[in-house]
Amino acid sequence: QKEVEQNSGPLSVPEGAIASLNCTYSDRGSQSFFWYRQYSGKSPELIMFIYSNGDKEDGRFTAQLNKASQYVSLLIRDSQPSDSATYLCAVKAGNTGKLIFGQGTTLQVKP
Amino acid sequence: NAGVTQTPKFQVLKTGQSMTLQCAQDMNHNSMYWYRQDPGMGLRLIYYSASEGTTDKGEVPNGYNVSRLNKREFSLRLESAAPSQTSVYFCASSERSGIHPYTGELFFGEGSRLTVL
Repeated sequence: QKEVEQNSGPLSVPEGAIASLNCTYSDRGSQSFFWYRQYSGKSPELIMFIYSNGDKEDGRFTAQLNKASQYVSLLIRDSQPSDSATYLCAVKAGNTGKLIFGQGTTLQVKP
Repeated sequence: NAGVTQTPKFQVLKTGQSMTLQCAQDMNHNSMYWYRQDPGMGLRLIYYSASEGTTDKGEVPNGYNVSRLNKREFSLRLESAAPSQTSVYFCASSERSGIHPYTGELFFGEGSRLTVL
């Protein structure tokens, strides 16, 4: 079992809709959770991080964390074509320095 | 500030050749990482350095070696390249030490595209 799992997609949503991206992780000791966005041919860039259970909102983005279920998600409201990219979930593994990424979910927002 | 700089950006090798990917950051960050990215596989951690003077294996260390030369530089070496090492390699750095429970944001270089024939 991979340490961090995501559906690879593609996830296709119409412009203006809510996109929901999901991620599960296997290490119960994980404490830091991140969502990165990667446009084709570019480097990943951080869009959200979350450390505590519950929701964290930043503009059109909401990260949700449920440590009991080992689940983290990203909601993108009012999706725009410019949101079309691969979204990578990353988890810091326990007390190590390792930051482990999922395989990424490709999001397509159709005008 | 340049951020994280990787060299070379492109490289073609023959099977069995060796090479070193160089990475330098000018943000005074403590932690540095090497990842590889293959289609459909996301980013896989090869090696990381939680702080100057330490290095540890990641998910896919076989066939690679690393050196944390100083706080700024972290190099990745392929001693005998294989076609399975054809990939895009990303170096990244993070301000906080890797042992800190709340690891900070990773800043990535532009990537190095390596092809092994």
